[in-house]
Amino acid sequence: DTEVTQTPKHLVMGMTNKKSLKCEQHMGHRAMYWYKQKAKKPPELMFVYSYEKLSINESVPSRFSPECPNSSLLNLHLHALQPEDSALYLCASSPAGDTAGGRQETQYFGPGTRLLVL
Amino acid sequence: SQQGEEDPQALSIQEGENATMNCSYKTSINNLQWYRQNSGRGLVHLILIRSNEREKHSGRLRVTLDTSKKSSSLLITASRAADTASYFCATDSRYSSASKIIFGSGTRLSIRP
Repeated sequence: DTEVTQTPKHLVMGMTNKKSLKCEQHMGHRAMYWYKQKAKKPPELMFVYSYEKLSINESVPSRFSPECPNSSLLNLHLHALQPEDSALYLCASSPAGDTAGGRQETQYFGPGTRLLVL
Repeated sequence: SQQGEEDPQALSIQEGENATMNCSYKTSINNLQWYRQNSGRGLVHLILIRSNEREKHSGRLRVTLDTSKKSSSLLITASRAADTASYFCATDSRYSSASKIIFGSGTRLSIRP
């Protein structure tokens, strides 16, 4: 299995709702990532998990709460979002966690969840 | 914050022609990667070039890296309609112990039949 899956594909939520995005990979990768991507912009890193521990939080507002229950799963819990949070949310994984000197490996991306906040 | 800037922002060429995209970055890197993204979908890794490499080939793709100019180029030869997508370069940072990459601004490539 060489793919990253994400559910749901589309999500519409109100500003008072609580929802979760899910990401799964079975490639044995030990690093997992959440990105946010607005239209016609590059992906922006939100969180990095390395060996199931949060290693990077790019100053993301607390209304986004990541969780890594095990090495194959990554969740993003959403609460009290704003309309400007509407975007494509991408999950990715890579083989190893933090590596010496910041040498980065190939990342494997899921298809994304398109989120609309009303 | 973006590490890389790409040009052109958009490129439209005839099928069969070659497409060249350029990426410039700011800080020293360990490696540079190129990714493709079809409209509204996930990114697909194309090629990785390390800082001690100058050129790399993969099928119809040719990537060059000039660390003295902090720039890279992606050449797609004999373009096809299926090459229509956005292309992003992505760099890590030699000065960061964190495992992350930062994407450039991207080039939107359109192949006319």
